[in-house]
Amino acid sequence: DADVTQTPRNRITKTGKRIMLECSQTKGHDRMYWYRQDPGLGLQLIYYSFDVKDINKGEISDGYSVSRQAQAKFSLSLESAIPNQTALYFCATSDRTSGSINTQYFGPGTRLTVL
Amino acid sequence: KQEVTQIPAALSVPEGENLVLNCSFTDSAIYNLQWFRQDPGKGLTSLLLIQSSQREQTSGRLNASLDKSSGRSTLYIAASQPGDSATYLCAVQANNLFFGTGTRLTVIP
Repeated sequence: DADVTQTPRNRITKTGKRIMLECSQTKGHDRMYWYRQDPGLGLQLIYYSFDVKDINKGEISDGYSVSRQAQAKFSLSLESAIPNQTALYFCATSDRTSGSINTQYFGPGTRLTVL
Repeated sequence: KQEVTQIPAALSVPEGENLVLNCSFTDSAIYNLQWFRQDPGKGLTSLLLIQSSQREQTSGRLNASLDKSSGRSTLYIAASQPGDSATYLCAVQANNLFFGTGTRLTVIP
């Protein structure tokens, strides 16, 4: 079984709809992240969470919200989807370490299309 | 803001060739640099991580170097194979992880 899973894998929705993307991990990591990837651009950080009670905005948080329901679950919501939120969304996890080594492990991605 | 650039954007090579992918970053205050592989329809797989105090890391046919003072890293792939075809992303770790736009590699049998 995959260590980091995302649901759904593909979603087509209409402008104005509320959408939730879910991420679950079995790695036992404290830290979880949401990124989006657009063609020709690198991954951009939307939100990240270092533990259940710690939520932080990333580079491009406007229009998104998150919920860390448990250590293993981190969901991303688009309250009112718009077409420029069409992108590939990745969830990632990493372990808490005392140093700087912080390899992130990525889920398979969710392709979201907003019409 | 940290900016990460990868050149070239795409590269095609015949099987068996050695090749180098380049990554540059604007702010040398980083904790580490990572190289990832991305296959279509799949997530990112971490290939190599170089800590800021290191100059290179090796894993099998892959060798990554880091010159923090000049803001450059290279990923060297020896004896390329068709299975190496993928997009390769570099990312630098500062407060967050900043990604380059990737190099799409095609290895032609």
